[in-house]
Amino acid sequence: KAGVTQTPRYLIKTRGQQVTLSCSPISGHRSVSWYQQTPGQGLQFLFEYFSETQRNKGNFPGRFSGRQFSNSRSEMNVSTLELGDSALYLCASSPGQGPQPQHFGDGTRLSIL
Amino acid sequence: ILNVEQSPQSLHVQEGDSTNFTCSFPSSNFYALHWYRWETAKSPEALFVMTLNGDEKKKGRISATLNTKEGYSYLYIKGSQPEDSATYLCAFTNSGYSTLTFGKGTMLLVSP
Repeated sequence: KAGVTQTPRYLIKTRGQQVTLSCSPISGHRSVSWYQQTPGQGLQFLFEYFSETQRNKGNFPGRFSGRQFSNSRSEMNVSTLELGDSALYLCASSPGQGPQPQHFGDGTRLSIL
Repeated sequence: ILNVEQSPQSLHVQEGDSTNFTCSFPSSNFYALHWYRWETAKSPEALFVMTLNGDEKKKGRISATLNTKEGYSYLYIKGSQPEDSATYLCAFTNSGYSTLTFGKGTMLLVSP
């Protein structure tokens, strides 16, 4: 079974630009969650999608948005990038119901210049 | 805001030592407690998902216990090996949805 795939692995952007990150979950998984990891911080929850609907949202500004497609693939978009958005962005998939472990991708390392 | 605390922040042990870490979480509205291992340059790997008070889980030399009434979980590593070096994360959820609140992790370094 293929794992969770995130693209791209690395990205360099400048302030004010926007970026879209992609996540392909494990086949059959309907839930995709997105997390941000910055130095000194734990994994901060961004949002979770289940069957194309945003089911939960973390405490991030509206510049962070996402969506999920009918094949469960998910994208995350960040507009008007700020220096503080430099981080590792991880997505994780799970079946979406019940106490199941989450399966993480390798992440996208975003650097803002 | 849910608060998940892990201690210690980091730990350096010698090969063969046994060690343990603590995860504290809200004791109300408990649904599940997750443990993950995150090795450098890799993605977090699920170790355990625990749901019942008093639950104990084991995977090789690693085991975990859960106390939902007082809001803590312990992770034990018996006979640490250099390949156990990683950051160990716990995460709490208060619902059947997939939203996890993570602690900041315990960074373990095992020297040969």
